[in-house]
Amino acid sequence: DGGITQSPKYLFRKEGQNVTLSCEQNLNHDAMYWYRQDPGQGLRLIYYSQIVNDFQKGDIAEGYSVSREKKESFPLTVTSAQKNPTAFYLCASSIGRNLNYGYTFGSGTRLTVV
Amino acid sequence: RKEVEQDPGPFNVPEGATVAFNCTYSNSASQSFFWYRQDCRKEPKLLMSVYSSGNEDGRFTAQLNRASQYISLLIRDSKLSDSATYLCVVSDRGSTLGRLYFGRGTQLTVWP
Repeated sequence: DGGITQSPKYLFRKEGQNVTLSCEQNLNHDAMYWYRQDPGQGLRLIYYSQIVNDFQKGDIAEGYSVSREKKESFPLTVTSAQKNPTAFYLCASSIGRNLNYGYTFGSGTRLTVV
Repeated sequence: RKEVEQDPGPFNVPEGATVAFNCTYSNSASQSFFWYRQDCRKEPKLLMSVYSSGNEDGRFTAQLNRASQYISLLIRDSKLSDSATYLCVVSDRGSTLGRLYFGRGTQLTVWP
């Protein structure tokens, strides 16, 4: 079955470390997105990519980096510059710029700074 | 000004009740509208799209008022399994950017 796979499900990071969250999809979707969700908060867009080798900053890109070398993969790196990284991270994909079908989400990664 | 505003609730209703959620959006050029459901500590899942003429899916009815920039979701005959957070979602102002904006969500608890 097609879908989006995020790994790991839980991740613990020490202060000052960079960590990379994986997101892979086999839906043949062109667009991929990273969102962050904090308790009681809405989803906030970190980065998104409409095509391979191209991506744009979202609303809260500082302290994060991404790459899109393959259509299927859109990893997110949380750098040590991100001051408050503890959150629930959600990866999503869509067919393309046409959002008539909305997003499909992965099951998320919970990142905790220890 | 937030792109999407929702009443956060919580709404606590008995089984069998009818409950309505409302949402407003700020960008008159938004083109796509959705309701997503998010269970505790899970990812959001698409509940239904919202069309200008209004649409129904079983016990769920969605309405869109473009003039007022207002979206609603009606749940009839509530079930215990309807307990979740409901997210109102709208697209950006055009197809060139291709992103969605999410409301903070309205929390629903259905009790026996």
